[in-house]
Amino acid sequence: QSVLTQPPSVSGAPGQRVTVSCTGSSSNIGAVYDVHWYQQLPGTAPKLLIYGNSNRPSGVPDRFSGSKSGTSASLAITGLQAEDEADYYCQSYDSSLSGYVFGTGTKVTVL
Amino acid sequence: QVQLQESGPGLVKPSETLSLTCAVSGYSISSSCYWGWIRQPPGKGLEWIGCIYHSGSTYYNPSLKSRVTISVDTSKNQFSLRLSSVTAADTAVYYCARLDSSWFFDYWGQGTLVTVSS
Repeated sequence: QSVLTQPPSVSGAPGQRVTVSCTGSSSNIGAVYDVHWYQQLPGTAPKLLIYGNSNRPSGVPDRFSGSKSGTSASLAITGLQAEDEADYYCQSYDSSLSGYVFGTGTKVTVL
Repeated sequence: QVQLQESGPGLVKPSETLSLTCAVSGYSISSSCYWGWIRQPPGKGLEWIGCIYHSGSTYYNPSLKSRVTISVDTSKNQFSLRLSSVTAADTAVYYCARLDSSWFFDYWGQGTLVTVSS
């Protein structure tokens, strides 16, 4: 049912930069609604990583950054570390559904 | 520090009603903020179920709306989820979370696995 599409997986070597895309439509990302990102480590609850397209909560390393353009958004991880291996989800609001929507999720693997 | 903790049966029979409670500590549920439920089937992604304000105002995922009821008990600082007529497809880890006024979920419970099986 996800209306936000993410690549199933991305990978990179330690120290590299990886990006995770999140593609939506004119009723969610392409409208006025912000995109937020969550990190889910294995066996744990999701944790807020980026809010309001590009803002980091206190405690989140500045290696993580977010952006939004048109009907898509991106999460970038620079200086990839082993501890970044996790599932990442984008989230927004959808006016057609009148509710919150999550992306399909992306597994980031550190080679 | 805001903390949320889900509780409820881990096993529910098909066609019965799933009931979970989320206890909130470190923050008054009567303050501004919506409170929500999100679920995650094993090995799959996140699905928003619904949200409630302390006044009792609710909104639900259209795909689940006919089966979902979310309620709040401000005296106990907790809110609850009821999902009726469950099937195996409702087997999932259920999370409760706080919805910030800017429409993101900033605090999450640890999650509780609910299995639907006879």
